[in-house]
Amino acid sequence: KQEVTQIPAALSVPEGENLVLNCSFTDSAIYNLQWFRQDPGKGLTSLLLIQSSQREQTSGRLNASLDKSSGRSTLYIAASQPGDSATYLCAVRADRGSTLGRLYFGRGTQLTVWP
Amino acid sequence: NAGVTQTPKFQVLKTGQSMTLQCAQDMNHEYMSWYRQDPGMGLRLIHYSVGAGITDQGEVPNGYNVSRSTTEDFPLRLLSAAPSQTSVYFCASSSGTGKTEAFFGQGTRLTVV
Repeated sequence: KQEVTQIPAALSVPEGENLVLNCSFTDSAIYNLQWFRQDPGKGLTSLLLIQSSQREQTSGRLNASLDKSSGRSTLYIAASQPGDSATYLCAVRADRGSTLGRLYFGRGTQLTVWP
Repeated sequence: NAGVTQTPKFQVLKTGQSMTLQCAQDMNHEYMSWYRQDPGMGLRLIHYSVGAGITDQGEVPNGYNVSRSTTEDFPLRLLSAAPSQTSVYFCASSSGTGKTEAFFGQGTRLTVV
């Protein structure tokens, strides 16, 4: 069974720092990996999607990398701002048959950026 | 730009009552799924569907029923509500081909007393 782990569970940094959130998964047979942001009391907002054949994706100050063979992904946030405070979740989609419809989630990293 | 719409946003039930959480998407997505989110437990998959007429169980299916009669709708039925089903429920959808990027609804906060 696919297991997804996110480290650290919580992170508190001053504004302006560059930071890295980590995601690891046990089964490298994935179709893609997706990073989400969740604000308190809200739904999940998609940030970046990396297909299994890709190494990285960028959107503004966010950069996500994927090393499928080692089962790792990182989300890099440049020049962090208080508005980046949220919980960040990674999820992998399996690439086998009917399980293609499933996402496996980590428990998230709760990020606080203070002014 | 409706995306994934969940109703209701909030609900309080008494133990033993039944109800249906609604989920609709307007993106013609094949894949739809239901998750529950509990503190310290993360997101857990309840049921999912890869197309109209096809459903399958996730990690925590007991006490829940689903059906997928149309591509757009994927309702989640609580058969006899229990306090252990107090949670926040999220519906998600994604295309079955290509990027398969998942989109989530805003959630239904359910309290069972």
